[in-house]
Amino acid sequence: DARVTQTPRHKVTEMGQEVTMRCQPILGHNTVFWYRQTMMQGLELLAYFRNRAPLDDSGMPKDRFSAEMPDATLATLKIQPSEPRDSAVYFCASGFKDNSPLHFGNGTRLTVT
Amino acid sequence: AQSVTQLGSHVSVSEGALVLLRCNYSSSVPPYLFWYVQYPNQGLQLLLKYTSAATLVKGINGFEAEFKKSETSFHLTKPSAHMSDAAEYFCAVSSGGYNKLIFGAGTRLAVHP
Repeated sequence: DARVTQTPRHKVTEMGQEVTMRCQPILGHNTVFWYRQTMMQGLELLAYFRNRAPLDDSGMPKDRFSAEMPDATLATLKIQPSEPRDSAVYFCASGFKDNSPLHFGNGTRLTVT
Repeated sequence: AQSVTQLGSHVSVSEGALVLLRCNYSSSVPPYLFWYVQYPNQGLQLLLKYTSAATLVKGINGFEAEFKKSETSFHLTKPSAHMSDAAEYFCAVSSGGYNKLIFGAGTRLAVHP
């Protein structure tokens, strides 16, 4: 059963530290999304890629967040420097066809103290 | 722009009772609509999807949803709730191709004996 894999599952860090979250999309999927989930804001779209090219990252705070796809099997989301307000669950999702369902990973729970 | 509104952030039902979770959408083009379920500490799993083939869509775990264009609604139902249905449910609309999903705020379903 193909799955989206996210690492780490949990991350606790101090304010000001760099955080890197990784995602392995399902093999063959060409679209990758990063979502952030918080109690207050719900699910927010941060960025997405098609065929490794960034299509839209308007949902991300540009000064501290960056998203990349070094290759088709890896997507990364970095926060530098991290702040307590970045505490959330970050989900990666992948898909392969317009308007088809997305497949979600189990998320990275980030806590910034 | 597309959007989704889920009426009721919390719904509580008795085991065996009807489940009804409400979703209304706004879309300038024929929408693709989805329901996802999220169990604690997990990612989102697809319950069902509407892609214009049929207005009544059957999904997993006994859930179904009916697309009503005149009411711009896509409510989720299940005839008889089970304890294992307790989770958070998200309605989503596909926006502008590229699988980009816009999510509602979610409805937390509680099932009591």
